Amino acid sequence: QLQLQESGPGLVKPSETLSLTCTVSGGSISSSNYYWGWVRQPPGKGLEWIGSIYNSGSTFYNPSLRSRVTIFVDTSKNQFSLKWTSVTAADTAVYYCASGPGSSRPLYWGQGTLVTVSS
Amino acid sequence: QSALTQPPSASGTPGQRVTISCSGSSSNIGSNTVNWFQQLPGTAPRLLIYTNNQRPSGVPDRFSGSKSGTSASLAISGLQSDDEADYYCAAWDDSLTVVFGGGTKLTVL
Repeated sequence: QLQLQESGPGLVKPSETLSLTCTVSGGSISSSNYYWGWVRQPPGKGLEWIGSIYNSGSTFYNPSLRSRVTIFVDTSKNQFSLKWTSVTAADTAVYYCASGPGSSRPLYWGQGTLVTVSS
Repeated sequence: QSALTQPPSASGTPGQRVTISCSGSSSNIGSNTVNWFQQLPGTAPRLLIYTNNQRPSGVPDRFSGSKSGTSASLAISGLQSDDEADYYCAAWDDSLTVVFGGGTKLTVL
């Protein structure tokens, strides 16, 4: 049973870069044939898939977000991360890290972290 | 606008059976499997149904899923007050992305 925990700043200024990390426990990223991804949810709105990375290093991104997003894995720390450039107020949301045997069916979820973009 | 279309709301009384629909296209539901998530208020989503009609361990058999063509449905039988939540469908799209439905808020009357 994997446990996922997001960490990162709760407040980011517009135009800055947002970096979030997901720490995985209860299993090894490098030995799990899982997709490791991120989903966000603006306040009061629905879920939006951001992207995912597979153990092979293959990455998949939401086309509407691709130009500003990077997902990468640090197997030495058993973590995967999200880097998001040039944030705007519209990027204010709860960000979830998630993992599972498919990008569209994450079985394990972090509790979510609220990121507010404001000056 | 979400790539998958769900009704914004649904309701039922305790013990009833309710269904939630999810409509897509040939590039997502039409050629890939559908998954469903339950999100209780203030919590992270939980995988409820995967690969159209499979339940992860721990999900009651009151929850069932089906798919036909470019549409899918989630059925909840024996409705309970604890089922009051938001429900989302999701599928892989052939454009190499994941698409979600806009979500359905289920109210137990």
